[in-house]
Amino acid sequence: EPEVTQTPSHQVTQMGQEVILRCVPISNHLYFYWYRQILGQKVEFLVSFYNNEISEKSEIFDDQFSVERPDGSNFTLKIRSTKLEDSAMYFCASSESSGGYEQYFGPGTRLTVT
Amino acid sequence: AQSVTQLGSHVSVSEGALVLLRCNYSSSVPPYLFWYVQYPNQGLQLLLKYTSAATLVKGINGFEAEFKKSETSFHLTKPSAHMSDAAEYFCAVSEGGTASKLTFGTGTRLQVTL
Repeated sequence: EPEVTQTPSHQVTQMGQEVILRCVPISNHLYFYWYRQILGQKVEFLVSFYNNEISEKSEIFDDQFSVERPDGSNFTLKIRSTKLEDSAMYFCASSESSGGYEQYFGPGTRLTVT
Repeated sequence: AQSVTQLGSHVSVSEGALVLLRCNYSSSVPPYLFWYVQYPNQGLQLLLKYTSAATLVKGINGFEAEFKKSETSFHLTKPSAHMSDAAEYFCAVSEGGTASKLTFGTGTRLQVTL
């Protein structure tokens, strides 16, 4: 069964460093998303991406964040200058279409900022 | 704006007992509703979804949920709990549109005891 994959599974970085989280969505999917989950809190939407551009972003997704689909398979989330409060589990998701279509989630990348 | 409220951050049931996890939503348009399950150290897996067809929705692993517009609820039930059901359960709402985001509740941790 096709699945969303994410690398790395765990990343430790120092405050102020740049990190890139990588995702490979399901191949025929057209809509891509990033969510994050701070330990003990709910899953929060960061950004959605369709047709090579951002469709919607949350207030969390400020100028420190960017997304890119550099080729036909990868979808990346970049944090330019990490803060302690960026420590969280980051989930990538993809869906075949929008609306009531299921979003398939990857296993997540745990980001720890020290 | 869409939102989800899950009553009860922790629910404990005996094996074989009824499982009832509560979810109430708020949406300015007819919503799409989802239940996801998260096992330890894993991503989110879809249990079931409501997309304006039948109000009683059946999902995987014997779970079902009923959409009640008058109560703005989408409670998750399972007639007989199994030890393997122990996990975190998230209710989510989407309002549709292009690359529609999911808004999650705070989650309910289900514990199943012998």
